[in-house]
Amino acid sequence: QKEVEQNSGPLSVPEGAIASLNCTYSDRGSQSFFWYRQYSGKSPELIMSIYSNGDKEDGRFTAQLNKASQYVSLLIRDSQPSDSATYLCAVETQSYNTDKLIFGTGTRLQVFP
Amino acid sequence: DAGVTQSPTHLIKTRGQQVTLRCSPKSGHDTVSWYQQALGQGPQFIFQYYEEEERQRGNFPDRFSGHQFPNYSSELNVNALLLGDSALYLCASSPPSGTPDEQYFGPGTRLTVT
Repeated sequence: QKEVEQNSGPLSVPEGAIASLNCTYSDRGSQSFFWYRQYSGKSPELIMSIYSNGDKEDGRFTAQLNKASQYVSLLIRDSQPSDSATYLCAVETQSYNTDKLIFGTGTRLQVFP
Repeated sequence: DAGVTQSPTHLIKTRGQQVTLRCSPKSGHDTVSWYQQALGQGPQFIFQYYEEEERQRGNFPDRFSGHQFPNYSSELNVNALLLGDSALYLCASSPPSGTPDEQYFGPGTRLTVT
C-alpha cells in the first residue's frame, strides 16, 4: 500500500462547478496535512494546510480532514480555468525530530469553459 | 520578503559527472529539505538540514550529499550522475520549531543527464 494515495485523474469539471479532490494516507500517526498546487513545469505552491479533524475554509478552497478514516480532501468552489493544474496531497511524518513530507502522485484537474 | 530561491534553473550534465545545486531559504526559515520530482510523480524526500546537520535521509544512495551553511542556505551534491537522476530538484524551507511547519518550495532546478 502506498503511503499517500490520490487518483491521478484527469478530473474534468466545467467552469463554476465544485471540484472535489481526495487523498488517503496510511500512517495513523500523521498530524499535519497539506495541499499543493503545481502548474506544468513549475514548482509546488502551498494552498492549504490542515491539522485538526473537520473543515478549514480559505476563499474558494475548503480542506476536509478525517483522521479516523485517514482521509483528507480539497474542495474548490466556483472552479476557474486558471485552477487547471496538478494538486498534490502531502502528509507530514515525524521521525527523529524531522518533519518530512510524503506526497501522493497528484490529481490533474482540468476546468473547461 | 524573498521566497525560497534556487540556482541554477536548468542544468545539463553527462553520465558520471558531478553536480551542485544551491538553495536559499525563505527569510526567517532555518530548515531546508531537498526533494526529487521525476516526471509524473510527486516529490520524493531526499534529506533535511537543520543547524548545519543532516537530520534525516530518504531512500537515496550516498551519491546524494548535502550541506547547510551558517546563513541557512544549502547545497545538494550528486556524484557519478546516472540517467535516472534526471528530474526536477526542489528545495523547501520551513520555519523554526514551534511555529506551523509549513514547507515552501523554491522554483526548482531541472537537471537533465545525457
